[in-house]
Amino acid sequence: DGGITQSPKYLFRKEGQNVTLSCEQNLNHDAMYWYRQDPGQGLRLIYYSQIVNDFQKGDIAEGYSVSREKKESFPLTVTSAQKNPTAFYLCASSSVANTEAFFGQGTRLTVV
Amino acid sequence: AQSVTQLDSQVPVFEEAPVELRCNYSSSVSVYLFWYVQYPNQGLQLLLKYLSGSTLVKGINGFEAEFNKSQTSFHLRKPSVHISDTAEYFCAVRNQAGTALIFGKGTTLSVSS
Repeated sequence: DGGITQSPKYLFRKEGQNVTLSCEQNLNHDAMYWYRQDPGQGLRLIYYSQIVNDFQKGDIAEGYSVSREKKESFPLTVTSAQKNPTAFYLCASSSVANTEAFFGQGTRLTVV
Repeated sequence: AQSVTQLDSQVPVFEEAPVELRCNYSSSVSVYLFWYVQYPNQGLQLLLKYLSGSTLVKGINGFEAEFNKSQTSFHLRKPSVHISDTAEYFCAVRNQAGTALIFGKGTTLSVSS
């Protein structure tokens, strides 16, 4: 089945540690996105990439980094510079021709 | 910049009653609009989308939405809800650059018997 796989589903880290969230898609989509979801805040765009080896900052990129070395993969690193990293993180993808985004099941990150 | 406002953060309703979830967007020359549903601890699933053409859009699970350009609205409706419709609903608009979706803050629909 085609889709987007995020792993792990739950992640716990100590404060001050960097952590990388995985996102893989087999939909052959060119564009990929990372959103952060907090209760009552909706989804806020962290980073997006429309093509391999290129990515752009979204609205809340500070404290995060990404890479896009392969079309199917778009990992997100939450660095120690992110002041409040505990949140639900959603990865999505879309084809350039289509307009809707397809979402993974999310990773819930808890920093203690 | 594009923006989306979901006018109700929570909507409680009884089973088999009709429901409307309200969404307003900031105006733009061309607008692509979406409604997504999210069940607890899961990703988002597309309910329906408006790209062009008929202003009444039908989606999955019996939902429909009407695009109203003069009111800059895209309200979601269902004539009779089920317990299983309990979830969070998000309205979204594609940004002007066409590079990403901008989401509203969500509406929690709670259906009780």
